[in-house]
Amino acid sequence: LAKTTQPISMDSYEGQEVNITCSHNNIATNDYITWYQQFPSQGPRFIIQGYKTKVTNEVASLFIPADRKSSTLSLPRVSLSDTAVYYCLVGVFSGGYNKLIFGAGTRLAVHP
Amino acid sequence: EAGVTQFPSHSVIEKGQTVTLRCDPISGHDNLYWYRRVMGKEIKFLLHFVKESKQDESGMPNNRFLAERTGGTYSTLKVQPAELEDSGVYFCASSQDPGGVYGYTFGSGTRLTVV
Repeated sequence: LAKTTQPISMDSYEGQEVNITCSHNNIATNDYITWYQQFPSQGPRFIIQGYKTKVTNEVASLFIPADRKSSTLSLPRVSLSDTAVYYCLVGVFSGGYNKLIFGAGTRLAVHP
Repeated sequence: EAGVTQFPSHSVIEKGQTVTLRCDPISGHDNLYWYRRVMGKEIKFLLHFVKESKQDESGMPNNRFLAERTGGTYSTLKVQPAELEDSGVYFCASSQDPGGVYGYTFGSGTRLTVV
């Protein structure tokens, strides 16, 4: 199982762009990279998923270099409501089945 | 569409008692998962249902935990008898496909406190 390493915490201010980098040196060929967001007293919420290069949706962008040993979640113009824990996960596909392995996540605090 | 619903949101029980947690997945999602976070630890996988069948229950901690999904709709997770170390937040998630290509949808969790 590929292990992920990400910063324990980050601070930012409203309106700034936030980039959270995750290392996954042992990522396997079939692994996808997925990011989840979790607010207090709620379950994790899917943000974005990618395999290589760049993926963008209405919430965030995910940048994955060619070697896929790391990835960066980019949140444009954060607001106070983006304060949450962000998890980087690398999926292990087994017969089309992906068991999520959560790490400690990155606690992002957005300040006024 | 309605999300994943978990009931109850909180439960406080005494050691040795029985508790049953319920999860209603998104309608049409064949895949249902249980996860939990015990105090100070990371979120851990418990098991995965495909319809009414258990696909993977490798994360179930011991035989005091019993999960069922009758008819492939809602699921229950019973803890009997509950121990202090079972305290934590139990999350349920569902997905259209087993690989979670479109992501898993999690419920808000059930906070279980065993005293």
